Amino acid sequence: AQSVSQHNHHVILSEAASLELGCNYSYGGTVNLFWYVQYPGQHLQLLLKYFSGDPLVKGIKGFEAEFIKSKFSFNLRKPSVQWSDTAEYFCAVNAQAGTALIFGKGTTLSVSS
Amino acid sequence: GAVVSQHPSRVICKSGTSVKIECRSLDFQATTMFWYRQFPKQSLMLMATSNEGSKATYEQGVEKDKFLINHASLTLSTLTVTSAHPEDSSFYICSARDGVSPLHFGNGTRLTVT
Repeated sequence: AQSVSQHNHHVILSEAASLELGCNYSYGGTVNLFWYVQYPGQHLQLLLKYFSGDPLVKGIKGFEAEFIKSKFSFNLRKPSVQWSDTAEYFCAVNAQAGTALIFGKGTTLSVSS
Repeated sequence: GAVVSQHPSRVICKSGTSVKIECRSLDFQATTMFWYRQFPKQSLMLMATSNEGSKATYEQGVEKDKFLINHASLTLSTLTVTSAHPEDSSFYICSARDGVSPLHFGNGTRLTVT
């Protein structure tokens, strides 16, 4: 069965600091990978996704993620965080397009101004 | 972009009563919808997959008689929590497939059972 691990439960950063959130998945076949963000009181929003091709994926709001197949990882990065990036971040995977997503436990990011 | 509307956003009910949650795809036809549950400080856990015109497929450990799912049209799926108990209090989120991906999520429903 597929599973997703997010190593950081709570990350606290100051504005302008760089961010990297870890995500590893467990599945032997081809996967589609996603990062979602959930701002306080709001619904999930897609940050970026990887299906195939260039393993470095750029998303909205300056976020990017790199798919490293050999490490089963899809870490999320941002060079310089802002206070408005304070949110819950979820990594997710599905093995086939259109099937349900399997989510990691999420990482809470707190950015102080 | 594709929008998924969920209603109600918040509901409080008494133990033993039933609650219905609606999930609508507003500008696309969703042949498949997914229902998730999110407990505080935890991730989204898939409850069931709902296909239009057929019975839902439930994940292991999810009681199909307790969580009734109906997907009668291409734009509407409903989740009914029957005989709700306090332990059913949670955040319920639906998502709908628009073509192949990505999945679009509703705003969620906060259910509190007293």
